Amino acid sequence: DAGVTQSPTHLIKTRGQQVTLRCSPKSGHDTVSWYQQALGQGPQFIFQYYEEEERQRGNFPDRFSGHQFPNYSSELNVNALLLGDSALYLCASSLLVGSGNTIYFGEGSWLTVV
Amino acid sequence: AQSVAQPEDQVNVAEGNPLTVKCTYSVSGNPYLFWYVQYPNRGLQFLLKYITGDNLVKGSYGFEAEFNKSQTSFHLKKPSALVSDSALYFCAVRLLNRDDKIIFGKGTRLHILP
Repeated sequence: DAGVTQSPTHLIKTRGQQVTLRCSPKSGHDTVSWYQQALGQGPQFIFQYYEEEERQRGNFPDRFSGHQFPNYSSELNVNALLLGDSALYLCASSLLVGSGNTIYFGEGSWLTVV
Repeated sequence: AQSVAQPEDQVNVAEGNPLTVKCTYSVSGNPYLFWYVQYPNRGLQFLLKYITGDNLVKGSYGFEAEFNKSQTSFHLKKPSALVSDSALYFCAVRLLNRDDKIIFGKGTRLHILP
């Protein structure tokens, strides 16, 4: 049973460019959340998707957008990249919200903006 | 405001000694509480969670945590530390309402000294 998988693992982008990160949730999970973890910080909630819709959103600008597909996989898109967007981006999956189900994380995608 | 506090940036413990990593939370209502561990350049690994019931929760790798409602704390403990326990530890709270997201503490770096 594969856990949460993310791609790519590492990437380097230039300021102003756009990036797409991908996530496949753990088998059987229907909810995907994205987190940004800057160096030396705890993960910060970006947004959450369930049934292909954004359910919750953290304090991130509209440059951050996402999508969830019918197979529950998800993408995180960041437009007009800034140097401050350099971070580890973590995808987390779980079952339906409102329960005590464990949230599992992927290994993350390291984004460096130069 | 909902928050999680990890008052220690770093904890140093000699191998074989007991360890404690502290966590306090501030939320309205009853929370779900989690501990995650992060090894260098890796994602977050689930250690244990408190949902309800027994205040002492046992988790992976010999870790346990004690939920104390009156002190709003959820300290992580292990009776005998191993060098391999050295990592970054995050306490997190999942809110039991429609705002289903995880709020993380800033993390505590645990150093186990041989």
